[in-house]
Amino acid sequence: DGGITQSPKYLFRKEGQNVTLSCEQNLNHDAMYWYRQDPGQGLRLIYYSQIVNDFQKGDIAEGYSVSREKKESFPLTVTSAQKNPTAFYLCASSPRGGTSGGGGTDTQYFGPGTRLTVL
Amino acid sequence: RKEVEQDPGPFNVPEGATVAFNCTYSNSASQSFFWYRQDCRKEPKLLMSVYSSGNEDGRFTAQLNRASQYISLLIRDSKLSDSATYLCVVNSYSGGYQKVTFGIGTKLQVIP
Repeated sequence: DGGITQSPKYLFRKEGQNVTLSCEQNLNHDAMYWYRQDPGQGLRLIYYSQIVNDFQKGDIAEGYSVSREKKESFPLTVTSAQKNPTAFYLCASSPRGGTSGGGGTDTQYFGPGTRLTVL
Repeated sequence: RKEVEQDPGPFNVPEGATVAFNCTYSNSASQSFFWYRQDCRKEPKLLMSVYSSGNEDGRFTAQLNRASQYISLLIRDSKLSDSATYLCVVNSYSGGYQKVTFGIGTKLQVIP
């Protein structure tokens, strides 16, 4: 089955620890994204990557880091510098990311999410 | 003014009713538009893209009004299973980079 997967589904972290969230896709999509969702708020973009070995900061990148060494993988590290890390983290991918090429090339498909709780 | 604005609701409607949501956006250079559905504690799922000519998928109709900078979603003959939060998404592009903006979502509750 083609799709986008995230693991783990639930993650608990002690304050001061870094933690890495996994995101994998086998859709052959060029672009991948990380969002954060807090209760009563919309999705906020953390980082995105339009192509392998390239990524850009989103609106709330502070305290997070990413890498894009492979097309299918875009892991997110939540560092101890992130002040309020407890949230629902969503990964998404789209066929293309740099332009609206029509035909749904910038349509995003989401993974099931990871709920991170800092204890 | 927020880049993308939605009425958070909730909209409580009886089964069989028709309900409409609007979403306004501030960037006139926005290029692509979508409606997503998000169930409680789940990921958003694409409902439909929104085209200038308007598009329909069964009971769902999406419209784009570029002059007034809003998109709309109409749901006819509401079902209990339509209860969810509906997110509008607006994409814009500059210098080869994409900016994706989600609305806060409109919560719909269909009542028996």
